[in-house]
Amino acid sequence: DAGITQSPRHKVTETGTPVTLRCHQTENHRYMYWYRQDPGHGLRLIHYSYGVKDTDKGEVSDGYSVSRSKTEDFLLTLESATSSQTSVYFCAISEDRGWETQYFGPGTRLLVL
Amino acid sequence: QKEVEQNSGPLSVPEGAIASLNCTYSDRGSQSFFWYRQYSGKSPELIMSIYSNGDKEDGRFTAQLNKASQYVSLLIRDSQPSDSATYLCAVNPLGFGNEKLTFGTGTRLTIIP
Repeated sequence: DAGITQSPRHKVTETGTPVTLRCHQTENHRYMYWYRQDPGHGLRLIHYSYGVKDTDKGEVSDGYSVSRSKTEDFLLTLESATSSQTSVYFCAISEDRGWETQYFGPGTRLLVL
Repeated sequence: QKEVEQNSGPLSVPEGAIASLNCTYSDRGSQSFFWYRQYSGKSPELIMSIYSNGDKEDGRFTAQLNKASQYVSLLIRDSQPSDSATYLCAVNPLGFGNEKLTFGTGTRLTIIP
């Protein structure tokens, strides 16, 4: 998985609870992305980062926030989890340009009850 | 119209035959095109990237790009049971400088022994 880890790998939480997912890379790549994958929708971009403290929204950013205080770590926070945020979350990294090859982490399965 | 469209499948192909996977995209300014393979329960992994019109071959895989027709395809020769997976097409819309990829929903391929 190209030196990318995600934690936790599985999580069950309750509606209204804050949740933070972590993506850690050892490749020193500039770009990092958070996607969610749902049946019938494919991979959809939530947020991405193009450097430390530099982030931007994707197509499904409502209800999510991100932070990147170090090159190697990109955090995704669900401020108040809802059942519609039950999904598989993938982190991806890209070396130099966001439109170049992206490498994916192993994923986090999140269930919101 | 979705930005990136793929037939969801399932596509069933006999072992040893050629599997042909297709993808169309809506943005004429798209410049980067990728095929990812995703096994059930796993993360996407890059198979091929293509940037110029024509064919690009890598082992048993050939990517074909036709920008005029807004069409990209993946051919898998001598299909093996290990090729059974979902194949995701990804496109960088709006050309260079846009940092995001848009993914299709994927085509599920089954190789029949």
